[in-house]
Amino acid sequence: GGIITQTPKFLIGQEGQKLTLKCQQNFNHDTMYWYRQDSGKGLRLIYYSITENDLQKGDLSEGYDASREKKSSFSLTVTSAQKNEMAVFLCASSIRLGGYEQYFGPGTRLTVL
Amino acid sequence: GEQVEQLPSSLIVQEGASVLINCSYTDSASVYFPWYKQEPGKRLQFIIDIRSNMERKQTQRLTLLFDKKTKHLSLHITATQPGDSAIYFCSASYQGGRALIFGTGTTVSVSP
Repeated sequence: GGIITQTPKFLIGQEGQKLTLKCQQNFNHDTMYWYRQDSGKGLRLIYYSITENDLQKGDLSEGYDASREKKSSFSLTVTSAQKNEMAVFLCASSIRLGGYEQYFGPGTRLTVL
Repeated sequence: GEQVEQLPSSLIVQEGASVLINCSYTDSASVYFPWYKQEPGKRLQFIIDIRSNMERKQTQRLTLLFDKKTKHLSLHITATQPGDSAIYFCSASYQGGRALIFGTGTTVSVSP
């Protein structure tokens, strides 16, 4: 089996600050994803990456950047933290894009002061 | 773009009773429909999926029904246990085309 790890578990930042969230997977999966989970709103896709060095925007990409320099890691940057984006950020991976099960990390909870 | 809706948003059941969660989607091009479960404090976990060429899938206490004409799915959980208390998410995607679109979730609480 494999696992997805996310760091940090809790992230506290100031409004306007640039903040980076990291995700690692050892499944050797091609595709990785970043979702934002707000209470009562399900999961919304921010960015995904089909393979190393590929980046695709999701519905919620504005205000975020992503980077996939290695197959095993996918990072997300909040370019200028805002109070209304306090949420849990979930990383996931799947063997390929499309009809395949996704495996999720434990999440990073972002608080903006 | 694709939209996925779930009803109800929350429900409470007695242990041993059954649960029905409904899900509807808008894009007829969607072909893959996985469901995920998120127990309190735990990560999202895949529980069952169905593809558009099927009408029904069953695994242990879960039955997933799919109606392509009405763009509707329903997840039936029988003989509920306290461990079934969780948020359940329906999702939809195109074949190889893009990532999943998730519903807003249904919070199930199983009371002893």
